[in-house]
Amino acid sequence: DGGITQSPKYLFRKEGQNVTLSCEQNLNHDAMYWYRQDPGQGLRLIYYSQIVNDFQKGDIAEGYSVSREKKESFPLTVTSAQKNPTAFYLCASIEGKENTGELFFGEGSRLTVL
Amino acid sequence: SQQGEEDPQALSIQEGENATMNCSYKTSINNLQWYRQNSGRGLVHLILIRSNEREKHSGRLRVTLDTSKKSSSLLITASRAADTASYFCATDDTGGFKTIFGAGTRLFVKA
Repeated sequence: DGGITQSPKYLFRKEGQNVTLSCEQNLNHDAMYWYRQDPGQGLRLIYYSQIVNDFQKGDIAEGYSVSREKKESFPLTVTSAQKNPTAFYLCASIEGKENTGELFFGEGSRLTVL
Repeated sequence: SQQGEEDPQALSIQEGENATMNCSYKTSINNLQWYRQNSGRGLVHLILIRSNEREKHSGRLRVTLDTSKKSSSLLITASRAADTASYFCATDDTGGFKTIFGAGTRLFVKA
């Protein structure tokens, strides 16, 4: 079945550590997105990528980094510069380079900073 | 950046009743979408309505769009306990490269 796989589902980090969240899709979608969700709130865009080797900052990119070396993969690194990283992180993809249709989401990764 | 705002923030109803959620947004859009999220899970797409459409149906879902008022509504008819979830509206930004989500309506359907 085609879909988006995020891993790990749960992750604990000590302050000062970088962590990388994985996002893989086998939908052959061009564009991929990373969102952050805080309890009881909506989604805020961190980074997005429309094609391989290209990505753009979203609304809350500070303290995060991404790469897009392969079409299927869009990993997100939460760096030590992110002051409040505890959150639920969602990866999504869409067919085509432009946002004109349905976003497909992974099941999310919950990051907790100890 | 523009963002849809849902109203109410939370809604509690009995099974069998209808649930109506509203969404307002700020700038012109190409389309508006509704998504559902079960607790601790990813979002699932429900329905997309384009700016030149006024109403759309999908099963027990009815979505309306009023571009003059920059608002949309999602109606779930004959609700079931399994409809308990958060519902988000989402709009494209004017550049067409990002989807912007509102804060969501938390729906609780009591059996």
